[in-house]
Amino acid sequence: AQRVTQPEKLLSVFKGAPVELKCNYSYSGSPELFWYVQYSRQRLQLLLRHISRESIKGFTADLNKGETSFHLKKPFAQEEDSAMYYCALWGIDSNYQLIWGAGTKLIIKP
Amino acid sequence: NAGVTQTPKFQVLKTGQSMTLQCAQDMNHNSMYWYRQDPGMGLRLIYYSASEGTTDKGEVPNGYNVSRLNKREFSLRLESAAPSQTSVYFCASSPRGAYNEQFFGPGTRLTVL
Repeated sequence: AQRVTQPEKLLSVFKGAPVELKCNYSYSGSPELFWYVQYSRQRLQLLLRHISRESIKGFTADLNKGETSFHLKKPFAQEEDSAMYYCALWGIDSNYQLIWGAGTKLIIKP
Repeated sequence: NAGVTQTPKFQVLKTGQSMTLQCAQDMNHNSMYWYRQDPGMGLRLIYYSASEGTTDKGEVPNGYNVSRLNKREFSLRLESAAPSQTSVYFCASSPRGAYNEQFFGPGTRLTVL
């Protein structure tokens, strides 16, 4: 079965420190993976997706098929990065459904 | 453009009452979705509509019905609310399919007493 696991419910780091939000997935095929973010009092929105290979707001994520991971990284955290982060998976046999992780709350301490 | 709008923002129901959550998008998207979000869990898909005129069950459809009224509007109905349906409900839309970026509404916080 398809599954997305975000092992950390809460991650707290100091401003300027590196950040890594973990995402592991279970899927037998070739997945498309996403990171969505929800800032306080804002809507859930796409942060980045695997296929784009972009760096958004300093965040990057690399798909590691061997480890079935799609961790989100940023070298130097900023206070405005504090938010809820969700990893999601789409597979060709998942029809129109995204499979979501439970989310990680990131708190950046000043 | 307003994007995805949802009404109401908050609602309290008694067990057994019915209500309809409204969702509309002005981005000319083909696909629309209804999710629920519960503490400690990711978003779970209730129903989706791949295109106007079609609807399909998602992961947790029991206790809900939907209507894709037209391309813009996708409503979610609770016929007989239960406390287990206390949740935050999100509507989303995408150009076509979940492969594309989904755009979310602000959410509806529903409490069933």
